[in-house]
Amino acid sequence: GNSVTQMEGPVTLSEEAFLTINCTYTATGYPSLFWYVQYPGEGLQLLLKATKADDKGSNKGFEATYRKETTSFHLEKGSVQVSDSAVYFCALSPSRGNNRLAFGKGNQVVVIP
Amino acid sequence: DSGVTQTPKHLITATGQRVTLRCSPRSGDLSVYWYQQSLDQGLQFLIQYYNGEERAKGNILERFSAQQFPDLHSELNLSSLELGDSALYFCASSVGPTGSYNEQFFGPGTRLTVL
Repeated sequence: GNSVTQMEGPVTLSEEAFLTINCTYTATGYPSLFWYVQYPGEGLQLLLKATKADDKGSNKGFEATYRKETTSFHLEKGSVQVSDSAVYFCALSPSRGNNRLAFGKGNQVVVIP
Repeated sequence: DSGVTQTPKHLITATGQRVTLRCSPRSGDLSVYWYQQSLDQGLQFLIQYYNGEERAKGNILERFSAQQFPDLHSELNLSSLELGDSALYFCASSVGPTGSYNEQFFGPGTRLTVL
């Protein structure tokens, strides 16, 4: 079946540091890939997406590239701010048939001033 | 604000009880999805409706049921509640039933606590 794996554990870093959150997936066909962000007490917001291999999604300084050869969609940001503190979820949507999202476990990111 | 509303925001109830969670999709969206977020299982897809019809089913227990009404709002009914049903329940909506262009917009969630 379809599944998403995110690196274990919270991520704590200083303001202006470089952020990487790893995401790998297992799926048949050509799924679409997403990063969602959840701020405290809120629902999920779509951060960025990529719908085919080698596509790069980007938004608010965050980027992720759809790598089919390594089945990965790692999230990166060059210089984080305190306001980026949130939980980040990697997700995939199957290539056909339905629109259900399969999510990774999520990573808590804490940015310290 | 995503435009998706969920009520109530919080719900506290006892084991064995039944509750109803309500979701109103964004204006113009025909598809509604329900997800459960728990500490041990993470975020899991439960069920999807499109224009009043069940479209896809995920890991939804038999004690749970849902429906989408003619005005497109949806309700998730949880019965014979157990402690393990305590979770955050999200509703999402999209314009169509399938396709990566059908971005899902999430509501703020209903936090269910079963005591």
